[in-house]
Amino acid sequence: DVKVTQSSRYLVKRTGEKVFLECVQDMDHENMFWYRQDPGLGLRLIYFSYDVKMKEKGDIPEGYSVSREKKERFSLILESASTNQTSMYLCASRWDRATGELFFGEGSRLTVL
Amino acid sequence: QQQVKQSPQSLIVQKGGISIINCAYENTAFDYFPWYQQFPGKGPALLIAIRPDVSEKKEGRFTISFNKSAKQFSLHIMDSQPGDSATYFCAATFSGSARQLTFGSGTQLTVLP
Repeated sequence: DVKVTQSSRYLVKRTGEKVFLECVQDMDHENMFWYRQDPGLGLRLIYFSYDVKMKEKGDIPEGYSVSREKKERFSLILESASTNQTSMYLCASRWDRATGELFFGEGSRLTVL
Repeated sequence: QQQVKQSPQSLIVQKGGISIINCAYENTAFDYFPWYQQFPGKGPALLIAIRPDVSEKKEGRFTISFNKSAKQFSLHIMDSQPGDSATYFCAATFSGSARQLTFGSGTQLTVLP
């Protein structure tokens, strides 16, 4: 089974802090994704990566950056957290073109005070 | 502007009843329509998907109905069970692209025992 692990399930940070959200997948997948989930807005793509050190902006990249130094690890970085970044963050890996399947982690709920 | 509009936002159904979730899309280039199911505390997981060359796809108690001319598709859950209680997301993409995968806003389904 594909396993996508988000190390921090719950985080509470203060405005202006730098925040790192880590995601690790164990199946040697090339594609990895970060989504943000908000009530009434569904899932919105922040960034994705199709290879080590390769990244592309999604629909809402403002205020975020990413890092992919190793194939199995994709990090989402909030350089200066703001209250409007309070949300659930979902990492996913392995886009299956034939089935439309993404494999998601269990999410990281971030609260910015 | 959401390209995939989903309704209702929440749905309460009695055990054994039929749950119906509707989605409408705007982009006629969309050619693949997956549905994801998300249980509390978990990431979304692919439930069922359809391409526009068929009007209906059934997997067990779950059926997708697709109306290409109306640009609408819907998920029907027959004989709904309390274990079906989850959030459901419709989605759409084209050309097998993960970058273009667009999610609806989600429907929180509660099936009462």
